[in-house]
Amino acid sequence: GENVEQHPSTLSVQEGDSAVIKCTYSDSASNYFPWYKQELGKGPQLIIDIRSNVGEKKDQRIAVTLNKTAKHFSLHITETQPEDSAVYFCAAILFGNEKLTFGTGTRLTIIP
Amino acid sequence: GAGVSQSPRYKVAKRGQDVALRCDPISGHVSLFWYQQALGQGPEFLTYFQNEAQLDKSGLPSDRFFAERPEGSVSTLKIQRTQQEDSAVYLCASSLAAGMNTEAFFGQGTRLTVV
Repeated sequence: GENVEQHPSTLSVQEGDSAVIKCTYSDSASNYFPWYKQELGKGPQLIIDIRSNVGEKKDQRIAVTLNKTAKHFSLHITETQPEDSAVYFCAAILFGNEKLTFGTGTRLTIIP
Repeated sequence: GAGVSQSPRYKVAKRGQDVALRCDPISGHVSLFWYQQALGQGPEFLTYFQNEAQLDKSGLPSDRFFAERPEGSVSTLKIQRTQQEDSAVYLCASSLAAGMNTEAFFGQGTRLTVV
């Protein structure tokens, strides 16, 4: 099955600076890579996703890049704000499958 | 409601007790998923329904875990003879379509504590 590794596990960034979270996956058949933000006491919320036929996707301050050859993908948050503080999870789905395999999460803290 | 609703939000069970966790998906969503999230970890897949059919139950950790979605809408996750290692947040998610990797919307989860 698929295995997703995520790092760092914690990240502290000064407000206004950028944050980068990296994930690697094991199965080259994975073709969908969503990123979720989870705030305390809430369920994960999709913030951006990318499919295997695309190398980069951007939505305002958030961007995701995918390197299929190296089997890794990254989340980039620019101009960070206090409300970006949360736990972020990357995930992957195998082609033809439905279940998400999640990384172990990154606790992002934005320092005012 | 507008989102995925789970009940109860919190459940404390004595070891050996049976529990039932409920999920109300977004109306019209075909796919429904259950995940288990241990403290400080990412969610782990338990089972998947497409309408009323349970197509994948490979993540259920033991035969004490059982899920159903009899009418293709509300789903119940049942855990029999609960044990301390069952303590976790149980998340339900639904998505509009099947087989298209469409966005999965998560509920707030049920936090189960087995004492």
